[in-house]
Amino acid sequence: DAGITQSPRHKVTETGTPVTLRCHQTENHRYMYWYRQDPGHGLRLIHYSYGVKDTDKGEVSDGYSVSRSKTEDFLLTLESATSSQTSVYFCAISGGFGNQPQHFGDGTRLSIL
Amino acid sequence: DQQVKQNSPSLSVQEGRISILNCDYTNSMFDYFLWYKKYPAEGPTFLISISSIKDKNEDGRFTVFLNKSAKHLSLHIVPSQPGDSAVYFCAASTDNTDKLIFGTGTRLQVFP
Repeated sequence: DAGITQSPRHKVTETGTPVTLRCHQTENHRYMYWYRQDPGHGLRLIHYSYGVKDTDKGEVSDGYSVSRSKTEDFLLTLESATSSQTSVYFCAISGGFGNQPQHFGDGTRLSIL
Repeated sequence: DQQVKQNSPSLSVQEGRISILNCDYTNSMFDYFLWYKKYPAEGPTFLISISSIKDKNEDGRFTVFLNKSAKHLSLHIVPSQPGDSAVYFCAASTDNTDKLIFGTGTRLQVFP
């Protein structure tokens, strides 16, 4: 299994509070991604990173920010959580371009009340 | 608009038989396609992929077929086993990006 750890695995919080999810990898891969999975939508890309301090927006980036200060860590922050951000969040890593598959962590289930 | 579509939300197959999961796409720029399997409370696991320069790729019991003219790909599992019961996602990307576009998934149930 790819060395990807997501924390926390479960979180319940209230609307308006800030939330940070962490993804840690031990593979030294350059590319990291955050997705959310919702019924009827599959997985949708939120933000991705192609190197330390290099990040870009994905398909559903509104309300989210990311940071990557080290190769191994990619943080996803909800500055002011809303109920529409209740979801399961997955982190993925890959070696980069050249038709390399992405490998996923086990997810964080986030509930915003 | 959904660029990658899995029109069958669920599929039920008897053990030992063939499972065929289908996926359609609309973006002709997609040139790399993947299938992932997902068990409950786990992340998606990479299963098999295919480049647009091929029309078939095989790995053990799993074969992916690509029909570019129809913008259609399928995953064949032969023979199906109870452990194959999971949700299967197809995904696609273009040559100049590493970003994956996923379908909505098909839940496969393999019964004895």
